[in-house]
Amino acid sequence: AQSVTQLDSQVPVFEEAPVELRCNYSSSVSVYLFWYVQYPNQGLQLLLKYLSGSTLVKGINGFEAEFNKSQTSFHLRKPSVHISDTAEYFCAVSMGSNYKLTFGKGTLLTVNP
Amino acid sequence: AAGVIQSPRHLIKEKRETATLKCYPIPRHDTVYWYQQGPGQDPQFLISFYEKMQSDKGSIPDRFSAQQFSDYHSELNMSSLELGDSALYFCASSPPSPTGQSGYTFGSGTRLTVV
Repeated sequence: AQSVTQLDSQVPVFEEAPVELRCNYSSSVSVYLFWYVQYPNQGLQLLLKYLSGSTLVKGINGFEAEFNKSQTSFHLRKPSVHISDTAEYFCAVSMGSNYKLTFGKGTLLTVNP
Repeated sequence: AAGVIQSPRHLIKEKRETATLKCYPIPRHDTVYWYQQGPGQDPQFLISFYEKMQSDKGSIPDRFSAQQFSDYHSELNMSSLELGDSALYFCASSPPSPTGQSGYTFGSGTRLTVV
């Protein structure tokens, strides 16, 4: 079975500060990893995904993530956050041929002025 | 660009009633997935269809059923509704290789409130 652990349920930061949202997964096979953002009362928007190749993945809105196979991690980073980045962030994993996504519990990023 | 269309956006039902949620995938996407997201929860996979056949099943209650039609749209039917069914229901669609360039695309969701 696939699983995802987001290590922080809430991350408060000040505007223009760097941020890292942590995600670990468990799997015995190759994985595909995703980060989604959800603004209040809205749907899920894909930030970035790792399928194969370069372990450093760049996404939208200045976010990037690094796939670390040895540590089974896929942490999300942004060097300077904005108030508008306040949202819930979900890490997700897909394994095997069924392609369903398994989500982590989410991390609420709150950017304060 | 066309996106995944879900209808209705909001739905209020009473306990024990029936609800039908609809999902229209992106053109040429032949796989549809349904997810349920309870208040303050992460999305949970319910069921998926590929080429009108059920391809995978998750934590979907027996009171729920779903199907994919010849035009690839999908409907989630929910009967004997319970208060705990109140949630945001997402549909996603993908081409045959969802982990490729297109990948998953989620709809905006249907917010179901059971009173």
